[in-house]
Amino acid sequence: EAQVTQNPRYLITVTGKKLTVTCSQNMNHEYMSWYRQDPGLGLRQIYYSMNVEVTDKGDVPEGYKVSRKEKRNFPLILESPSPNQTSLYFCASSRTSGGAPDTQYFGPGTRLTVL
Amino acid sequence: SQQGEEDPQALSIQEGENATMNCSYKTSINNLQWYRQNSGRGLVHLILIRSNEREKHSGRLRVTLDTSKKSSSLLITASRAADTASYFCATDVGTGFQKLVFGTGTRLLVSP
Repeated sequence: EAQVTQNPRYLITVTGKKLTVTCSQNMNHEYMSWYRQDPGLGLRQIYYSMNVEVTDKGDVPEGYKVSRKEKRNFPLILESPSPNQTSLYFCASSRTSGGAPDTQYFGPGTRLTVL
Repeated sequence: SQQGEEDPQALSIQEGENATMNCSYKTSINNLQWYRQNSGRGLVHLILIRSNEREKHSGRLRVTLDTSKKSSSLLITASRAADTASYFCATDVGTGFQKLVFGTGTRLLVSP
C-alpha cells in the first residue's frame, strides 16, 4: 500500500529535550516536506526536499532541522524544543512535475506537546 | 496575509445544496491544489489544476482557476453530510515553484 508513515503519532516532551520525528514514504517520491498546523493558521511549510541531499527552508524553519540521506526518509529534528513548537505536524511526499511538487500525499500527523 | 486565503472561513449548508469556496493568492503559480481534511487527520488531495487550465472536474467537484484575478473556486455539488470537513487550497511559490503555501481553510458543515 502506498503510504507516508510518521512516528511517533503522539509525543509529550519537555523544553530542551532533543527529539526526532521520523517520516518515510514508499512511493519513490522525489519531493518531501514537513508542515505544522496550528489553529487559525492553516498549514505552514517548515522544510522541503527536492531530492536526496537537497533541502531548503519553508516559511517557518526556525528551531527545526531536517536531513535527506535516503530518498524514502525525511526526519524532522527539534534540537531544543520550546513550548511554541507545540503543534500538529504533517509529513508529505510527492512526485515533481516540471521541477515543482505535484499532488501531496500526507502522513497521519504527529501531535507534539512541549511542556 | 498569506499567499492563499480561502473565503469564506466557515460555511454551513443543508444536504443536497451546493457549496462554493474561494481561494485568492498573490504571486504567479505553476499549480493550484485543493485538499480536504477531516478533523485532525491528514490532508487528502482533491484536485490539482495547472496554471494553463481554467476548469477541472472530478465527480461532484468542480474547480476553476482565473490567473488574471489570481483566484480559484471549488464547487461541491449536491453536498452530503460526509462532505463535512475543512478544505484548503495550496499554491506553489518561490524559485522554481518549489515551496508550497496553504491557506487557512474553509470549514464546511453539511447538515442532514
